[in-house]
Amino acid sequence: QQQVKQSPQSLIVQKGGISIINCAYENTAFDYFPWYQQFPGKGPALLIAIRPDVSEKKEGRFTISFNKSAKQFSLHIMDSQPGDSATYFCAATDYNQGGKLIFGQGTELSVKP
Amino acid sequence: EPEVTQTPSHQVTQMGQEVILRCVPISNHLYFYWYRQILGQKVEFLVSFYNNEISEKSEIFDDQFSVERPDGSNFTLKIRSTKLEDSAMYFCASSKGKWTEAFFGQGTRLTVV
Repeated sequence: QQQVKQSPQSLIVQKGGISIINCAYENTAFDYFPWYQQFPGKGPALLIAIRPDVSEKKEGRFTISFNKSAKQFSLHIMDSQPGDSATYFCAATDYNQGGKLIFGQGTELSVKP
Repeated sequence: EPEVTQTPSHQVTQMGQEVILRCVPISNHLYFYWYRQILGQKVEFLVSFYNNEISEKSEIFDDQFSVERPDGSNFTLKIRSTKLEDSAMYFCASSKGKWTEAFFGQGTRLTVV
């Protein structure tokens, strides 16, 4: 119930292409869904986040699509760049869990020039 | 830009020894967290701390672990008797509220030999 399942585990995209990473959850109490970007040797950094009252949120080249009925959300990176090469984690939490984030397994994205 | 700072960046300790990992959260944040990441795996929640007490903890956070905010700026994680399986990257994070962005530190790599 507390799990967040993320796919794919790894992704190779050509420069300029679209990267798509998917996550699914079971706990319907989850009400905050952030995506984190992590470079090797660094801590995770918030990229973009969504709450379930909207179906899509866009910030620059990054878009979250949220499907509440399917309990799925995804990250789309448009015009992917080599500098986007990193590990991406989706996460989820609910207000009653003291800020505890449940992370997905991570997706290692490699953008080829 | 304010950031979460962690010390040391790398700690090597012998099995059975006590270690203290230190963190300075962002100054106006009220919620503090410890997460760990075993090499190549997902980020796992350990504990959240608010108003000088633990608000949530995971099953990983057993009696060998403790947290403390000894003064107005530091937040520490103590492992009393380290095991080989405690080897991981430990991340401290802080946030203004339960439902707001959590900022992560750079991490402390703990190696238990």
